[in-house]
Amino acid sequence: QQQVKQSPQSLIVQKGGISIINCAYENTAFDYFPWYQQFPGKGPALLIAIRPDVSEKKEGRFTISFNKSAKQFSLHIMDSQPGDSATYFCAARDGGSQGNLIFGKGTKLSVKP
Amino acid sequence: GAGVSQSPSNKVTEKGKDVELRCDPISGHTALYWYRQRLGQGLEFLIYFQGNSAPDKSGLPSDRFSAERTGESVSTLTIQRTQQEDSAVYLCASSPARAGEQFFGPGTRLTVL
Repeated sequence: QQQVKQSPQSLIVQKGGISIINCAYENTAFDYFPWYQQFPGKGPALLIAIRPDVSEKKEGRFTISFNKSAKQFSLHIMDSQPGDSATYFCAARDGGSQGNLIFGKGTKLSVKP
Repeated sequence: GAGVSQSPSNKVTEKGKDVELRCDPISGHTALYWYRQRLGQGLEFLIYFQGNSAPDKSGLPSDRFSAERTGESVSTLTIQRTQQEDSAVYLCASSPARAGEQFFGPGTRLTVL
């Protein structure tokens, strides 16, 4: 059973465009929703995270939009750059758990110059 | 300061052999997680250590998998009688506290022939 569903699997965007990656979840006990960025041969690195008491969080060119009623959240990358080309993972954490994250399957983003 | 380190970076083994993977967490981090990342997939939680508490082994896929951690230091993940389906990248993450931000190492790529 996939608890966090991520789409699309891959995404190609032109430089300067907006990249949008979507995630959906079922477990209402999730209380923390991070996005990780992973470059080839590297471990994932935290990019931005949100808690369900806010609907949007912005850090530079990266924005998370959160819809609690729809149990969906998305990552928007504004003015996408070739250096943003990486695999992006959404994740969720059960507030009653030990803190382990449940990850989506990832989106491979390619930003064309 | 140094991040999370893992060794070896790559491991090729024959089916049926045992392998041991090592993780050095960030100094002072009490929580340590192991994840498995299969090709094209998201990260799959394996095991969690928090200080001297009993580990959460709920994600271990079979009894061939085990892990140890001494106090708040190094952890080793052991896979006995490896199978081809064990081929994956094994990622370790540490966190300064339970449910805190997780910092990932670069992973160990395991290939079972």
